[in-house]
Amino acid sequence: GDSVTQTEGPVTVSESESLIINCTYSATSIAYPNLFWYVRYPGEGLQLLLKVITAGQKGSSRGFEATYNKETTSFHLQKASVQESDSAVYYCALGSTGGNNKLTFGQGTVLSVIP
Amino acid sequence: GGIITQTPKFLIGQEGQKLTLKCQQNFNHDTMYWYRQDSGKGLRLIYYSITENDLQKGDLSEGYDASREKKSSFSLTVTSAQKNEMAVFLCASSPRGDTQYFGPGTRLLVL
Repeated sequence: GDSVTQTEGPVTVSESESLIINCTYSATSIAYPNLFWYVRYPGEGLQLLLKVITAGQKGSSRGFEATYNKETTSFHLQKASVQESDSAVYYCALGSTGGNNKLTFGQGTVLSVIP
Repeated sequence: GGIITQTPKFLIGQEGQKLTLKCQQNFNHDTMYWYRQDSGKGLRLIYYSITENDLQKGDLSEGYDASREKKSSFSLTVTSAQKNEMAVFLCASSPRGDTQYFGPGTRLLVL
């Protein structure tokens, strides 16, 4: 089946440092999956951070970027300079196109940013 | 904009009990989903529904029933609560083939 593996947490970085959270996927049932990063901030619900539906394209939001790399089956999340407000749990996910758009999630990565 | 409401926010049940979780969305989305999240793990799909009265099993459907009687609501029933079922249940909805929006979750604790 389909699967997503991401950086084991927790990850702790200092404010203004750079960040990368790795995500690799295996899409055995989907030829051209859509790729997503979702985020859960403390006390809030799960929300979409960014998505990319075309291989080779980059998505960006709130200073975060992720590039859909079909060759390496990766979708790593990066930010050049993190802020304390970025502390959250980040989930990488892949989804099918079409009517049902079922999502397969990674296990989540807890990020703590130290001021 | 819209909102997804899940009730109850917290649910405490007894082992063997039948428990029902409810989800409402006012996005007018076609597709709705139920996921389960265990501590430190990713979300796993239990059931989804692409339209009113449709039900599709996910990877984790055993031990659960679902009901989509209206486009705006999607219920999930734990048919017999087990001691090891302490998890967060997340409801989501999406326009057909597009981004999923999630509710705040129901936290289940079985005594």
